Formats: sequence, C-alpha cells, structure tokens
Amino acid sequence: EVQLVESGGGLVQPGGSLRLSCAASGFTFSDHYMDWVRQAPGKGLEWVGRSRNKVNSYTTEYAASVKGRFIISRDESRNSLHLQMNSLKTEDTAVYYCGRLSGNNVDYWGQGTLVTVSS
Amino acid sequence: DIQLTQSPSFLSASVGDRVTITCRASQDISSSLAWFQQKPGKAPKLLIYAASTLQGGVPSRFSGSGSGTEFTLTINSLPPEDFATYYCQQLKSYPITFGGGTKVEIK
Repeated sequence: EVQLVESGGGLVQPGGSLRLSCAASGFTFSDHYMDWVRQAPGKGLEWVGRSRNKVNSYTTEYAASVKGRFIISRDESRNSLHLQMNSLKTEDTAVYYCGRLSGNNVDYWGQGTLVTVSS
Repeated sequence: DIQLTQSPSFLSASVGDRVTITCRASQDISSSLAWFQQKPGKAPKLLIYAASTLQGGVPSRFSGSGSGTEFTLTINSLPPEDFATYYCQQLKSYPITFGGGTKVEIK
C-alpha cells in the first residue's frame, strides 16, 4: 500500500527556517517524481515544486514564489522527500502536501503538515 | 506562466443534479489537464487526467472533456458525497498551475 506521511510542520517566525519531510512507503521511491503542493488557510492549491526521479538525477523545479528560498531533496536510503524552507514569510503559511506522481499526475498524497509563519 | 480560470467559483446544486465545471487555460495546453476533488481537511483526490481519462477507482459519473484551452468536468447525478471543491491543474509546462477552484454546495 502506498503511504506518504509528512512531518516537520509547526510555528516559525518570519525569516526563519523549517524542514519538512515526507516518508514514503509501498512503492519504489527512486522511480517516481514527487511534488510539494501547499494550501493557505481557506485558499486554493498552489504547486511548490518537484523532484524528478533517479533516472533524471533527482533534478528539481520550483514555483517562482519559493525559488531561491526553498530546496527539495531526497534521502534515498530512507525513502524520504524533504522541503527545506528558508527566509520564511507570512504568506508561506499553509498546509504542505507531498504527492507521488504516476506518469504525469499525482496519484497519491500525504495527509499534509501545517506550517505557520508568524511573530 | 499558464493561467487557469475556473467557472463558476461557487455552484449550488441538488442531489441528483448534473453539474458542469469549466476550466480555461491562458494558452494551448493540449490535453495536459487534470481534475481533483478536495473535501475539507483532506488531501486532493485525482479524478481525471489527460483531460478525459478516468483515474482508477473513480466512479463513472465523473467525466472530463476538452483540449487546447477549454475543458469541462461533468458529474452526473450528483450524490451527497460529491459536495466538495474541484480544481483543475495544467501539466503542460512549468510552473505547474491550478485553477482557483469550484466549490459545489448543497442547494
């Protein structure tokens, strides 16, 4: 059974950093692209970024709103996806979801982890 | 960036109604469009990909159509469990973008 479990959310001050993790199980992690998507309270979905699979050297793409501040990485040995978030802004407050891609689409999602950026 | 405009933003419907949601792209995205359903406090659920292909396990009352810049999601005979928010997503080019969402509420 495919499972994705996010962790690492919490309250952080503006300008601070936080590292989210997504523990993957039930599939061959290195074979799949993985996305981060966020949702601000009461708002719609926003794509944050993507990690391609091992064949594509785990290269990454980012939304303009987070490029240069957020870094997506993987720990292959632990089947984990990470989102390092630096220079956090109040507008980064959101539930962050990781998702597994099959083909070109996210077919499995985690339950989400809440990040609150506030002083 | 490719903008996706969903209409309507809110839709009031009754159980048993047929519901149609439109998603318009700011440029040609061929068939690189997906539809998601999201319920409060839950992760999105993939319904349709490649504009018209039903994801495995999704009921056949859901259907998608369109290509290029105009797409529709149709739900036939709306059951109570389908009152939710629906999003389109384009996968043609980076950055990946979502539509603003359509909230389907009970009339």
